[in-house]
Amino acid sequence: DARVTQTPRDKVTEMGQEVTMRCQPILGHNTVFWYRQTMMQGLELLAYFRNRAPLDDSGMPKDRFSAEMPDATLATLKIQPSEPRDSAVYFCASGFTYTGELFFGEGSRLTVL
Amino acid sequence: DAKTTQPPSMDCAEGRAANLPCNHSTISGNEYVYWYRQIHSQGPQYIIHGLKNNETNEMASLIITEDRKSSTLILPHATLRDTAVYYCIVRVASGGSNYKLTFGKGTLLTVNP
Repeated sequence: DARVTQTPRDKVTEMGQEVTMRCQPILGHNTVFWYRQTMMQGLELLAYFRNRAPLDDSGMPKDRFSAEMPDATLATLKIQPSEPRDSAVYFCASGFTYTGELFFGEGSRLTVL
Repeated sequence: DAKTTQPPSMDCAEGRAANLPCNHSTISGNEYVYWYRQIHSQGPQYIIHGLKNNETNEMASLIITEDRKSSTLILPHATLRDTAVYYCIVRVASGGSNYKLTFGKGTLLTVNP
């Protein structure tokens, strides 16, 4: 079965360190989404892309977060510098423009000490 | 996007039908109703979506009222594996930045033996 692959699955780091999370969307999908989930805030949309172009990143703290799609098979979410409040599970999802059926990865659990 | 209202939690006996309600009284004519669920520690999973007609697939049925202001997701024979948070989301079919899916707090469905 085709699936969205995220790495790393778990990451523990210290405050101030750079963190990069990677996502391999399902081949052929033209939209990619990044979500963050915490107990307090639930699932928050950080950014999303269509055909590798960023459409909306208004949910992302601009001073420390950046999201890119260097090619159709890779999406990255970078945090620099990381802070304890960034601790969360980060989900990547991909899909087609014309449907709201998104396929989610298993998430990257980030802990910033 | 239209706001949705769901009960925070529901219980269901194993083998019985689970009926999960959702209110979306401000839904627009071009907005679809989507249902996702999230089993503990996993990424959200698409279930079903519809515009105004009732829909059924191998996972569930979606009943949308004639005025489209509310809907019900039906799991016909709930199993323990259906215990999850169920999200009701409304979204336009297409249109630039409106592709995004915004998750609320959902309904925690607990299926009891």
